Amino acid sequence: DTAVSQTPKYLVTQMGNDKSIKCEQNLGHDTMYWYKQDSKKFLKIMFSYNNKELIINETVPNRFSPKSPDKAHLNLHINSLELGDSAVYFCASSQDSTTDTQYFGPGTRLTVL
Amino acid sequence: SQQGEEDPQALSIQEGENATMNCSYKTSINNLQWYRQNSGRGLVHLILIRSNEREKHSGRLRVTLDTSKKSSSLLITASRAADTASYFCATPQAAGNKLTFGGGTRVLVKP
Repeated sequence: DTAVSQTPKYLVTQMGNDKSIKCEQNLGHDTMYWYKQDSKKFLKIMFSYNNKELIINETVPNRFSPKSPDKAHLNLHINSLELGDSAVYFCASSQDSTTDTQYFGPGTRLTVL
Repeated sequence: SQQGEEDPQALSIQEGENATMNCSYKTSINNLQWYRQNSGRGLVHLILIRSNEREKHSGRLRVTLDTSKKSSSLLITASRAADTASYFCATPQAAGNKLTFGGGTRVLVKP
């Protein structure tokens, strides 16, 4: 049983397009996150939601918009994709916003051509 | 800059040998965590050490924390080929449980 799942696993698209990545967790956690991992393997947090409410919003272009329809889902929508958006995007969850251990999804490799 | 920085960036050892990697951080922490990432996969939580702990063990893993030096080390004993992965240290920052990761140490265990 997959605890944190993401779809799609790979996404190849043209510059200027709009795309979405979906994330679901079946752990019953309250808090979910989006991270971006660049080509040099550096991981940076982008957003965090606790019970469907945004609690962390790092300096991310407003072309990125997270949406949490319920606490088990946190989707990431990206408008007007740019070459620099190419990266691996990881979703994660934790029991709540004060619990330290995070559980990561398998990642979505986004390639913008 | 990264809150945590791992050293070395890459490590190549023979199966059965021990692997040691270090992490330095800049600000005060409540805890420090180590994660493993296999190629093409997500991160897996390995171990968490709290700021009032100096050493912690989990199976073949041993983690130390020196808050006076703002550093931590991860030791993998009797390494196996399956330990080949990237290892990241991470520290939660401020509210919201935001994890700040180092750049990782790539470990290659040769059979």
